[in-house]
Amino acid sequence: AQTVTQSQPEMSVQEAETVTLSCTYDTSESDYYLFWYKQPPSRQMILVIRQEAYKQQNATENRFSVNFQKAAKSFSLKISDSQLGDAAMYFCAYRGPNFGNEKLTFGTGTRLTIIP
Amino acid sequence: EAGVAQSPRYKIIEKRQSVAFWCNPISGHATLYWYQQILGQGPKLLIQFQNNGVVDDSQLPKDRFSAERLKGVDSTLKIQPAKLEDSAVYLCASSLGWGAGELFFGEGSRLTVL
Repeated sequence: AQTVTQSQPEMSVQEAETVTLSCTYDTSESDYYLFWYKQPPSRQMILVIRQEAYKQQNATENRFSVNFQKAAKSFSLKISDSQLGDAAMYFCAYRGPNFGNEKLTFGTGTRLTIIP
Repeated sequence: EAGVAQSPRYKIIEKRQSVAFWCNPISGHATLYWYQQILGQGPKLLIQFQNNGVVDDSQLPKDRFSAERLKGVDSTLKIQPAKLEDSAVYLCASSLGWGAGELFFGEGSRLTVL
């Protein structure tokens, strides 16, 4: 079974600085998808960024970027120019290759605090 | 476009009582998921529907949990009888279901069992 591990329960960063959240995963598949979701206190999970395993180029969405290391099964999220609105729980998630099945397996999350 | 709707937002019950949660997915989404998120943990899949058929319910405690998705649209998740360890947020999500990739989540229903 696939597992997702987030080893940092909590992280903090000064506003406008850069922070990196770590994620590792375990799978025997060669093709799959990885995601970072943000969960603010309102509880609604919001997609931050996604990465297809077959793509060598790291995904980027504005201030958010990933460092995808397929051989190491590592998928970290970098947040640049941190803003107060970035404060939330961040979850790393894995999705397998099966067409039509978008089921996600989540890690335990990292709580990110932004220090003004 | 309307998002995934869930109700109630909060529910407090005594152990051994029953509770039901409702979810209305995004229009046109074939796949619907119920996740359980215990405090301090990541969401865990309870059940996945494709239209009105069950795709995966391997982690659903079937002795007390049940779920249905009538007519392939709305879904209800029921717990009877509730235990203390069922205290959690129950998240509903939906997706197009043909590999488009993104799950859209509701705001969740927080259950407290006393």
